[in-house]
Amino acid sequence: GENVEQHPSTLSVQEGDSAVIKCTYSDSASNYFPWYKQELGKGPQLIIDIRSNVGEKKDQRIAVTLNKTAKHFSLHITETQPEDSAVYFCAARGTYKYIFGTGTRLKVLA
Amino acid sequence: GAGVSQSPRYKVAKRGQDVALRCDPISGHVSLFWYQQALGQGPEFLTYFQNEAQLDKSGLPSDRFFAERPEGSVSTLKIQRTQQEDSAVYLCASSAFRAPGGQPQHFGDGTRLSIL
Repeated sequence: GENVEQHPSTLSVQEGDSAVIKCTYSDSASNYFPWYKQELGKGPQLIIDIRSNVGEKKDQRIAVTLNKTAKHFSLHITETQPEDSAVYFCAARGTYKYIFGTGTRLKVLA
Repeated sequence: GAGVSQSPRYKVAKRGQDVALRCDPISGHVSLFWYQQALGQGPEFLTYFQNEAQLDKSGLPSDRFFAERPEGSVSTLKIQRTQQEDSAVYLCASSAFRAPGGQPQHFGDGTRLSIL
């Protein structure tokens, strides 16, 4: 069935360093790939997304890359700050429903 | 309101009781989704509405789960005869346009359900 694998499950970085989270999807019909940030006790919040006809997208310190051939997409956060600490989820969408990865707990150490 | 609103935020029930979880989507959003999020996991799809029509309920774990959106706005997820394995956070999301479409889903803060 449809599956999204996400790595790593936990990631600790020093403040100011970069963080990279990687996802792989199985459904070749997937055409939209959002990334969500979830803080404790809150719902997922959309931080960036990319469509299948685009290879890269950047929004300030956050960027996402997509390799359709390999079915890989990645989240890059530069100049990390303590407030970036949270759980990050990738997702892949075909027609309407999202298939989520298992999440990455990012800790930014001050 | 400005975002997706869910109530109650927390619900504790005894095994065997029925529960009802409410979702108020963003005003005017056509599509509404329910997801279940177990501790330490990503959200898993339960069901999808386009206006009042339930177009996909393939993710509902059993026939004890029932969802409705009678007027195409507020939605209720009902769980009958709750079991311990139903304990999870139930998330609601809404999207502006009919699927397939390019608009992202916006999530509420969820209802944390605990079955004793």
